[in-house]
Amino acid sequence: AQSVAQPEDQVNVAEGNPLTVKCTYSVSGNPYLFWYVQYPNRGLQFLLKYITGDNLVKGSYGFEAEFNKSQTSFHLKKPSALVSDSALYFCAVRDRGYSTLTFGKGTMLLVSP
Amino acid sequence: GAVVSQHPSWVICKSGTSVKIECRSLDFQATTMFWYRQFPKQSLMLMATSNEGSKATYEQGVEKDKFLINHASLTLSTLTVTSAHPEDSSFYICSAREGGAGVGTDTQYFGPGTRLTVL
Repeated sequence: AQSVAQPEDQVNVAEGNPLTVKCTYSVSGNPYLFWYVQYPNRGLQFLLKYITGDNLVKGSYGFEAEFNKSQTSFHLKKPSALVSDSALYFCAVRDRGYSTLTFGKGTMLLVSP
Repeated sequence: GAVVSQHPSWVICKSGTSVKIECRSLDFQATTMFWYRQFPKQSLMLMATSNEGSKATYEQGVEKDKFLINHASLTLSTLTVTSAHPEDSSFYICSAREGGAGVGTDTQYFGPGTRLTVL
């Protein structure tokens, strides 16, 4: 079985400050990890993924995420938040033995001017 | 990046009618496509997985006779909501992946979603 936890329903940050959106996962084997962003009434946009290799993954729009195997975490980060980053963020995991993604419940990021 | 289109973006229909939603991968061949349903302020719920040329695999609790999925080509999948009722009103999102089932490294790309309202 595979599962994802996003412990925060909402994250508030001021523009220009660093942001972190948390994600922890559970899989029986090695994970493939993904972050997506969803704007209102839109589908999901792919941000980045971890498959193997360097634990720090860089993605679109200045976002990055760090894979931590010992803590089973894959937190999304950005050094300097923009108001336009305000959206709903989903973490997702796929165990190498599965063909489908499992999503977290999502975290709403609100960046204030 | 890869683009997935969905049509229509929104639809309003009367109870008892059927609605077809199209999902297309525009710049890649999607061996596998997925259909999700999303309720307000909730995560995505996987409804079914379809591989080109074969029958869709439905998740537990999803009525296959109500939600008909056809993956006729490597770039097109359709979801037909038959005899729609108000409780079927939701946001439906399709997703496409280039690799086949079991290929974990390929990224899933998502369509913009279809807002279905059944009166």
